[in-house]
Amino acid sequence: EAEVAQSPRYKITEKSQAVAFWCDPISGHATLYWYRQILGQGPELLVQFQDESVVDDSQLPKDRFSAERLKGVDSTLKIQPAELGDSAMYLCASSSRRGNTQYFGPGTRLTVL
Amino acid sequence: DQQVKQNSPSLSVQEGRISILNCDYTNSMFDYFLWYKKYPAEGPTFLISISSIKDKNEDGRFTVFLNKSAKHLSLHIVPSQPGDSAVYFCAASARNNDMRFGAGTRLTVKP
Repeated sequence: EAEVAQSPRYKITEKSQAVAFWCDPISGHATLYWYRQILGQGPELLVQFQDESVVDDSQLPKDRFSAERLKGVDSTLKIQPAELGDSAMYLCASSSRRGNTQYFGPGTRLTVL
Repeated sequence: DQQVKQNSPSLSVQEGRISILNCDYTNSMFDYFLWYKKYPAEGPTFLISISSIKDKNEDGRFTVFLNKSAKHLSLHIVPSQPGDSAVYFCAASARNNDMRFGAGTRLTVKP
């Protein structure tokens, strides 16, 4: 069964350092999403790609967060510099161009010390 | 703004009984609704969905009911099993695929 892959699964870093997360969506899925989930809350969308183009990054803190999907396949989310409040689960999801169901990867648990 | 609300943070039921998880939404543009199940340290797993043209969708032990006039949906699990213990997220989306999630309900099924 096709799955969304994410790495690393866990990341511990000190504040002011740079971190990067990687996501490989389900093959053929044109739409890719990055979410942030804080404990006790639902996932919140950070950025949405359609192929290689950003279609929604209104909730992305652009002073420190960046995301790219250069070839329209896998994607990288970067935080620089990391802050204590960035500690959360970062989830990647993908969906087919016409479908509404999003399929999630296992997530990256980030801890900023 | 919380467009999707799950007002019960937790629910505990006995094995074999029915679990009913509730969700309310405010945006009338939502036309597709989903339930996801999440275990600790894992990503959400898609469980079941329903479009706004239906009022019920069933998949094995799981049934989702949609009441559009009340802007309310619910997930019924019958019979509940200990392996169903997880956090359940309600989600809703409009045609542009912008999905909004509730805060989740932690279900505990006791043997």
